[in-house]
Amino acid sequence: GAVVSQHPSWVICKSGTSVKIECRSLDFQATTMFWYRQFPKQSLMLMATSNEGSKATYEQGVEKDKFLINHASLTLSTLTVTSAHPEDSSFYICSAAGSSSYEQYFGPGTRLTVT
Amino acid sequence: SQQGEEDPQALSIQEGENATMNCSYKTSINNLQWYRQNSGRGLVHLILIRSNEREKHSGRLRVTLDTSKKSSSLLITASRAADTASYFCATGANSKLTFGKGITLSVRP
Repeated sequence: GAVVSQHPSWVICKSGTSVKIECRSLDFQATTMFWYRQFPKQSLMLMATSNEGSKATYEQGVEKDKFLINHASLTLSTLTVTSAHPEDSSFYICSAAGSSSYEQYFGPGTRLTVT
Repeated sequence: SQQGEEDPQALSIQEGENATMNCSYKTSINNLQWYRQNSGRGLVHLILIRSNEREKHSGRLRVTLDTSKKSSSLLITASRAADTASYFCATGANSKLTFGKGITLSVRP
């Protein structure tokens, strides 16, 4: 089956610093990648959709200058949380989809803690 | 905004029993998917049912979809302790998924 990895699996950073999270599709080419965040005991909320080689589309209420997304290749997308604050602490999950599939394949998630 | 709404929010059953989880949604969909999430982990895709399908099976899983009622159910038969997890329905439209709040299933050994 399709495998998606994320790195790092967890990260602790100080307030004001930036953190980059990588999402890779290991055995297929991901035309589209999605970034979600999940607060404890809550659902996944879509943050943005990125297509390879084009700018990401952000959901309403998500600051594009704070959450920078780059999808430079068909196997890699990155999410950079800039000037992180404690309220950015969350579980960030990416998913990837091929060109002909409704199905999204999810990464294992990255737990970000901002102190 | 969230579309899928699962019920119950939490379900506790004995190993061997069946677990039924329901999901309702509000707008038109292309498909509906069910996912499982173990605590602190990523999501595992369980099953996808398209809007023109009414029922689908996969192993111990049975999913139904009633587009007239905008609802779906997930049945897990002969539950096991390893089925303990959170279960989410997600509605698919325009290549996006919108997740419900999830159901916490506990299967007691």
